[in-house]
Amino acid sequence: TQLLEQSPQFLSIQEGENLTVYCNSSSVFSSLQWYRQEPGEGPVLLVTVVTGGEVKKLKRLTFQFGDARKDSSLHITAAQTGDTGLYLCAGGRGNKLVFGAGTILRVKS
Amino acid sequence: IAGITQAPTSQILAAGRRMTLRCTQDMRHNAMYWYRQDLGLGLRLIHYSNTAGTTGKGEVPDGYSVSRANTDDFPLTLASAVPSQTSVYFCASRGRGDEKLFFGSGTQLSVL
Repeated sequence: TQLLEQSPQFLSIQEGENLTVYCNSSSVFSSLQWYRQEPGEGPVLLVTVVTGGEVKKLKRLTFQFGDARKDSSLHITAAQTGDTGLYLCAGGRGNKLVFGAGTILRVKS
Repeated sequence: IAGITQAPTSQILAAGRRMTLRCTQDMRHNAMYWYRQDLGLGLRLIHYSNTAGTTGKGEVPDGYSVSRANTDDFPLTLASAVPSQTSVYFCASRGRGDEKLFFGSGTQLSVL
């Protein structure tokens, strides 16, 4: 059982569509991070949220941390083919990070 | 170029053989980590080191050992490889007070 559950596991959409990816847990985290990973590469940090209810925007990406600091969402507006990749959420536990299994996003042109 | 270097990029290994995966960082980060990534399971922490000279066990440490003789290097050793250790292995580091993890490009290991 994953400490952090991500949904959906796989998402295939057309370019221009909007999408939301979820990251849920029954545990409280000190922070929540989102990473994006491309094939053959390591994950790269997109954003860190630390305050319950926090919303951060990064161009077409909107990240939200739940009020209770147990869940998070990533919303992409007008998806582009360059958004294709594996999206991972990770929760802060002391000096370690716990990762979800990831959401594979494929954006078709 | 600053960052994390992992070697080898890929390796095919016979079961029972010993193997060391190398990881070097030049960012002077205190903390370093080894994760394995498997489909459907995400990244799972194997071992970590908060600073040179110290190491700790992660979520899936069995069959693996690490050492941290200096700040830059954090090798991962499989003493006697088994097929279930087939995976992609990522080394990562983090600076003091920084939330961000920097990852290497990974080592694809196949144990036959």
